[in-house]
Amino acid sequence: NAGVTQTPKFRVLKTGQSMTLLCAQDMNHEYMYWYRQDPGMGLRLIHYSVGEGTTAKGEVPDGYNVSRLKKQNFLLGLESAAPSQTSVYFCASSLGRGFTYNEQFFGPGTRLTVL
Amino acid sequence: AQRVTQPEKLLSVFKGAPVELKCNYSYSGSPELFWYVQYSRQRLQLLLRHISRESIKGFTADLNKGETSFHLKKPFAQEEDSAMYYCALNRDDKIIFGKGTRLHILP
Repeated sequence: NAGVTQTPKFRVLKTGQSMTLLCAQDMNHEYMYWYRQDPGMGLRLIHYSVGEGTTAKGEVPDGYNVSRLKKQNFLLGLESAAPSQTSVYFCASSLGRGFTYNEQFFGPGTRLTVL
Repeated sequence: AQRVTQPEKLLSVFKGAPVELKCNYSYSGSPELFWYVQYSRQRLQLLLRHISRESIKGFTADLNKGETSFHLKKPFAQEEDSAMYYCALNRDDKIIFGKGTRLHILP
């Protein structure tokens, strides 16, 4: 099992460009999450999904969109990148809600720089 | 508002000395708390959760509802404990993370 994978690992964008980050998991998890990690800010939730076809806003959703067309994939889109979106992005997944199911498994991260 | 506070950004401890990473939370219901850890060049991973009441890699954490705290402790620090530690609170379908504490074990 590969667990949670993220594509790409690194990316440099110019202001105004768009891109999509892909997260894939092979653990048949229902819940998937996108976070950004910034120095001194910890992990902040951008968007999440509780199942195929569903998405919901997290703490810092502005400037991002997501889609969950297939259970195993969760895409994060930046329509018009801004320097403030320079960050390390982490995807995570979990079986679901409740004590037995809510451990989150993380991907390796994508380092994005917006110039 | 539900919140997790880790007051220390950096904690430096000598090898063999006791470690305590502080975490305070605010939550109106019955909290479910976790500690996640990120070692250098590794993925963020679950270290322990309060419901399990287990010791992982020598670390323990006790939920104190009176003080709304969930401090992470280890009696004798080891060099391999150097990492970034996040305290986290489960809220419905989401987990809220603190800002993290970097633990640096000095030789």
